[in-house]
Amino acid sequence: AQSVSQHNHHVILSEAASLELGCNYSYGGTVNLFWYVQYPGQHLQLLLKYFSGDPLVKGIKGFEAEFIKSKFSFNLRKPSVQWSDTAEYFCAVNRATDSWGKLQFGAGTQVVVTP
Amino acid sequence: NAGVMQNPRHLVRRRGQEARLRCSPMKGHSHVYWYRQLPEEGLKFMVYLQKENIIDESGMPKERFSAEFPKEGPSILRIQQVVRGDSAAYFCASSPPADPGELFFGEGSRLTVL
Repeated sequence: AQSVSQHNHHVILSEAASLELGCNYSYGGTVNLFWYVQYPGQHLQLLLKYFSGDPLVKGIKGFEAEFIKSKFSFNLRKPSVQWSDTAEYFCAVNRATDSWGKLQFGAGTQVVVTP
Repeated sequence: NAGVMQNPRHLVRRRGQEARLRCSPMKGHSHVYWYRQLPEEGLKFMVYLQKENIIDESGMPKERFSAEFPKEGPSILRIQQVVRGDSAAYFCASSPPADPGELFFGEGSRLTVL
């Protein structure tokens, strides 16, 4: 079945460590790609998105993601995390053949940053 | 600019009752989307609406579920004759006409069916 896979369900790391969260999708064709974040007690917020152009996308709060078409991947990275990055992170894909806003979400990765 | 407002935040229903979830989009947003999140799963698309029109309902269960976005007032997701399997978090999102692909999410409504 077509899907969006996030490799890790839970990640625990210390402040200043580097973070990389994997995301793979199984759709062929053109896709739009997103990373959303949900901080504790808050709503989902957009971190970054890729529609076309430079496959290295920079988002808010020092996050970036790289689209590798040949690997069907859109991994999220941050060189040095802070305690405030503790949150759940969701990768999402919109197929170009689907309506706008119809996103396929991964199951999410819970990230805990320890002081 | 207030965000996407959903209410109620928590709703408890007994099996067979009806659940109504409301969503007021951000000001100026004319596109509304409903998603459902079951325990330990990612969000699943349900329906995409514009004012008075259902654009894409490919994720809606065929029975008991309906959605509307009237000319005036909030969008409503209605679940008739709820069952335990309907227990989930229901998220609404909205987007502006100029950038329909960028979704702004509400905080969700958590439905518990006893």
